Amino acid sequence: QSALTQPPSASGSPGQSVTISCTGTSSDVGAYNYVSWYQQHPGKAPKLIIYEVSKRPSGVPDRFSGSKSGNTASLTVSGLQADDEADYYCSSYAGSNKAVFGGGTKLTVL
Amino acid sequence: EVQLVESGGGLVQPGGSLRLSCVASGFTFSSYWMTWVRQAPGKGLEWVANINQDGSEKYSVDSVRGRFTISRDNAKNSLYLQMNSLRADDTAVYYCARDIRWFVYWGQGTLVTVSS
Repeated sequence: QSALTQPPSASGSPGQSVTISCTGTSSDVGAYNYVSWYQQHPGKAPKLIIYEVSKRPSGVPDRFSGSKSGNTASLTVSGLQADDEADYYCSSYAGSNKAVFGGGTKLTVL
Repeated sequence: EVQLVESGGGLVQPGGSLRLSCVASGFTFSSYWMTWVRQAPGKGLEWVANINQDGSEKYSVDSVRGRFTISRDNAKNSLYLQMNSLRADDTAVYYCARDIRWFVYWGQGTLVTVSS
């Protein structure tokens, strides 16, 4: 059960777009359309922002979008805002009723 | 409103034990898989264990198998994590979360510190 691979950091200026990748294997990301993304501000619990690769929970702005190709999933944040500065984690169902998370990406809004 | 409230964290010596609890409200607890996720200080999220609706199926990450036991009491709307033989690398905030494929609802977390 190895963690999914995310870049440790990403950055962009307000109004710009940034994409964060999440690479797994053919046993997790590549096998299931159960990739989810979480936003976590310091000292807070994670917040679900994308589920089933590209679906947004109610209340999440459409500036957040998700996609997947093969063993790699991606989160794109468009129209960056100051409040988007946070840690972002991907997760995937890994079969056998187990899940795996990525190592996290710290997004900085310049 | 869905709420998950963890408790039971604290400071424990290496080799010691601790039992975490998570009380759920705002939904039919007995209808959902439940999951524990942890986060070491300054580190990422790690899936720890989950349990099915009636407690008959339990799964855990390799690093805690044989030491941690997940359980639930549907009559009390409660989820538990019994942690034995604790090690320094078990130090983390432990969150309970609903479901297994993605996690909409999270508790606020409870901090477990393993140190002498």
